[in-house]
Amino acid sequence: DGGITQSPKYLFRKEGQNVTLSCEQNLNHDAMYWYRQDPGQGLRLIYYSQIVNDFQKGDIAEGYSVSREKKESFPLTVTSAQKNPTAFYLCASSIADTETQYFGPGTRLLVL
Amino acid sequence: KQEVTQIPAALSVPEGENLVLNCSFTDSAIYNLQWFRQDPGKGLTSLLLIQSSQREQTSGRLNASLDKSSGRSTLYIAASQPGDSATYLCAVPGSARQLTFGSGTQLTVLP
Repeated sequence: DGGITQSPKYLFRKEGQNVTLSCEQNLNHDAMYWYRQDPGQGLRLIYYSQIVNDFQKGDIAEGYSVSREKKESFPLTVTSAQKNPTAFYLCASSIADTETQYFGPGTRLLVL
Repeated sequence: KQEVTQIPAALSVPEGENLVLNCSFTDSAIYNLQWFRQDPGKGLTSLLLIQSSQREQTSGRLNASLDKSSGRSTLYIAASQPGDSATYLCAVPGSARQLTFGSGTQLTVLP
């Protein structure tokens, strides 16, 4: 059963806390992406990775960090430096960065 | 910097109607354009991808057209059904070949 999984579905963050969102894919895709979606808005790119052990900042990378140690995994850490983290976070992958992106079900992050 | 605009922001139609969703982009030097569907609280599902060499792409009741010179794309939905209710987003490659998304059109098809 191929696809992209994200966990958890809901995540609560206390002030000053770092939290990590999981994204796993078994599609054998090289490229992976993290987006943030705010209510009534389109998606904004946080980070992307075109290949293992390499990643680049997107439009809104401040307050976030990523790693790409394995092809199938691209975790996103929301650090305490991100002052407005409440949003819906979407992970995606594609065979290459010019091809169709496939999305996971998303993680909703809320601040306590 | 690439900017993508979708009009209208929301649309409500009775079941069975044919409808058109609009997408415009500022930089016409694109190599493809994608239309996605998003159900409430869910991820995105790719509907259609149009390469820059194509003028349109069809999948079932969906037809997407692309006019690069005018910076526009339309998504045509024939014989709309309540199950088509969702938010529809278009996206084009922006800087560094990464996707730039519009803010979407929220479609409601009334039974």
